[in-house]
Amino acid sequence: DARVTQTPRDKVTEMGQEVTMRCQPILGHNTVFWYRQTMMQGLELLAYFRNRAPLDDSGMPKDRFSAEMPDATLATLKIQPSEPRDSAVYFCASGSGQGQTSTDTQYFGPGTRLTVL
Amino acid sequence: AQKITQTQPGMFVQEKEAVTLDCTYDTSDPSYGLFWYKQPSSGEMIFLIYQGSYDQQNATEGRYSLNFQKARKSANLVISASQLGDSAMYFCAMSLFGNEKLTFGTGTRLTIIP
Repeated sequence: DARVTQTPRDKVTEMGQEVTMRCQPILGHNTVFWYRQTMMQGLELLAYFRNRAPLDDSGMPKDRFSAEMPDATLATLKIQPSEPRDSAVYFCASGSGQGQTSTDTQYFGPGTRLTVL
Repeated sequence: AQKITQTQPGMFVQEKEAVTLDCTYDTSDPSYGLFWYKQPSSGEMIFLIYQGSYDQQNATEGRYSLNFQKARKSANLVISASQLGDSAMYFCAMSLFGNEKLTFGTGTRLTIIP
């Protein structure tokens, strides 16, 4: 049963600390997405990769957030320094990337619940 | 830019009844896909059903069907014979062909009453 995995599942940290969230996409999927869910903003896209190349990170605060894919099996989202307003659930999703003639279904990981005190 | 509107913040439905969750969308692009996801209280996002803009027939997946009315730009989710386990938040979303990032609606919280 192929699934997206995320670690950690829960993270509590203090303001100013660095936070790193990790995601393992479904094997063979070539698109990876990071979403953030808050009560106020709902679900919003932070970053989007295809074949490990960043395609869109316009939703991400550039001064403190960074997203990378060191290899095809690992995506990371880093916040440095963290702030209380970053408290949210961060989801990673992956898809098989159908290209220009279709769109693909994204499968979500369980999320990382981040609390910044 | 794409927009998804879900006008029902919450719904209460008797067990075993059918339920329709409303979703309207807005895009000027003719090539797009529409999705429904379920988010139970445990927090995970579960993919339910997909409809492509060029699909001739409405999508169905078990008890889920998508009532796709292209001219009205609506993509309502229909759940037949509701069960207690259907209680959850339901999100409608869309993406464009070749640009897979999802735009989500605000969700509908569905509660099934025994």
